[in-house]
Amino acid sequence: DAKTTQPNSMESNEEEPVHLPCNHSTISGTDYIHWYRQLPSQGPEYVIHGLTSNVNNRMASLAIAEDRKSSTLILHRATLRDAAVYYCIEGYSGAGSYQLTFGKGTKLSVIP
Amino acid sequence: AAGVIQSPRHLIKEKRETATLKCYPIPRHDTVYWYQQGPGQDPQFLISFYEKMQSDKGSIPDRFSAQQFSDYHSELNMSSLELGDSALYFCASKMGGIYNEQFFGPGTRLTVL
Repeated sequence: DAKTTQPNSMESNEEEPVHLPCNHSTISGTDYIHWYRQLPSQGPEYVIHGLTSNVNNRMASLAIAEDRKSSTLILHRATLRDAAVYYCIEGYSGAGSYQLTFGKGTKLSVIP
Repeated sequence: AAGVIQSPRHLIKEKRETATLKCYPIPRHDTVYWYQQGPGQDPQFLISFYEKMQSDKGSIPDRFSAQQFSDYHSELNMSSLELGDSALYFCASKMGGIYNEQFFGPGTRLTVL
């Protein structure tokens, strides 16, 4: 079962920054936090991942709390193309592979 | 850049029929994952393969089986189809590195009538 908690939906104005929160209070010390997003009628798309420190890439920034029980995905300037369901996923090292267990995700709407 | 290829993109079957979904991972990717996403649902992990060996099983029904071939492509075989099997089926591939990102294909939409 998914171990993360996210708001069901959020809205943002175009060109504004967006902060998408995620709680993962039971995360273990070695499990990464991954963010994927799914645009309508498409497969999920990798956004960013991190372990302890803040991470930046061309798409977004990931701020991880010092106690690692929560994190925030930051989109610096929302565009209409960023409207999607954003999944915060706690990676899990299964018996044989590293798994991603998708939870409910946050549906982000971007208002022109 | 090459992406994950899935075929067919759409498939319509009758109840109790069989279906085979194919996935062609990105070249040099050694791990393949299969996910099922029902209408209005979130993707659910079904099964994964690493270097042609099954590495993990998720919520995959016994009616389903999968394998990865020598050229690294994978097939998901589904038998005795039920109405509830109607869903989007995504394949994802990954290269080495346990935490590396998964690249998802466009999915196969299966409709069971």
